[in-house]
Amino acid sequence: DADVTQTPRNRITKTGKRIMLECSQTKGHDRMYWYRQDPGLGLRLIYYSFDVKDINKGEISDGYSVSRQAQAKFSLSLESAIPNQTALYFCATSDSGGRGSEAFFGQGTRLTVV
Amino acid sequence: KQEVTQIPAALSVPEGENLVLNCSFTDSAIYNLQWFRQDPGKGLTSLLLIQSSQREQTSGRLNASLDKSSGRSTLYIAASQPGDSATYLCAVIGTAGNKLTFGGGTRVLVKP
Repeated sequence: DADVTQTPRNRITKTGKRIMLECSQTKGHDRMYWYRQDPGLGLRLIYYSFDVKDINKGEISDGYSVSRQAQAKFSLSLESAIPNQTALYFCATSDSGGRGSEAFFGQGTRLTVV
Repeated sequence: KQEVTQIPAALSVPEGENLVLNCSFTDSAIYNLQWFRQDPGKGLTSLLLIQSSQREQTSGRLNASLDKSSGRSTLYIAASQPGDSATYLCAVIGTAGNKLTFGGGTRVLVKP
């Protein structure tokens, strides 16, 4: 089983719908991240969490919200999906380790908003 | 704001040739630098992690160097194989905010 699991792997949704992407990890890491990847724009940070009570906005948080339900679970919600949120979404984890440690990524969720 | 750049954006080499991939960053206040591989439509696989106090890391045919003061890292892949064809991304964790900032990646094609 993968250490970082994202569900669903693929999703097509309509404009205006609410959608949740889920991420769970078995690595025991305290830090979790959500990124989106777009052709030509690379990976951009949406939200990150350093522990269950710590949630921070990344560089492109508008239109998104997150929930850290437990140390192992971090969900990303699109409250009202729009077509320009069509992208590949990645969850990542890392250990606090004092000075930053190796990051591990899930396999991604391909989201299409029509 | 940290900016990470990877040049070239794409690279094509014949099988057996050594690959040299470049990564530069603007803020040298980093904890570490990480190299990833991404196959089309897939997730990111960690290749090497270099702590800020290190000069290089090696794993098999891969060797990554880090010159923090000049804001540069280089990933060397020896004796390239068609299976090395993928996009390679570098990312840094800055001391301010502890977040990963990614470069745009270099897409590599190794021709048989």
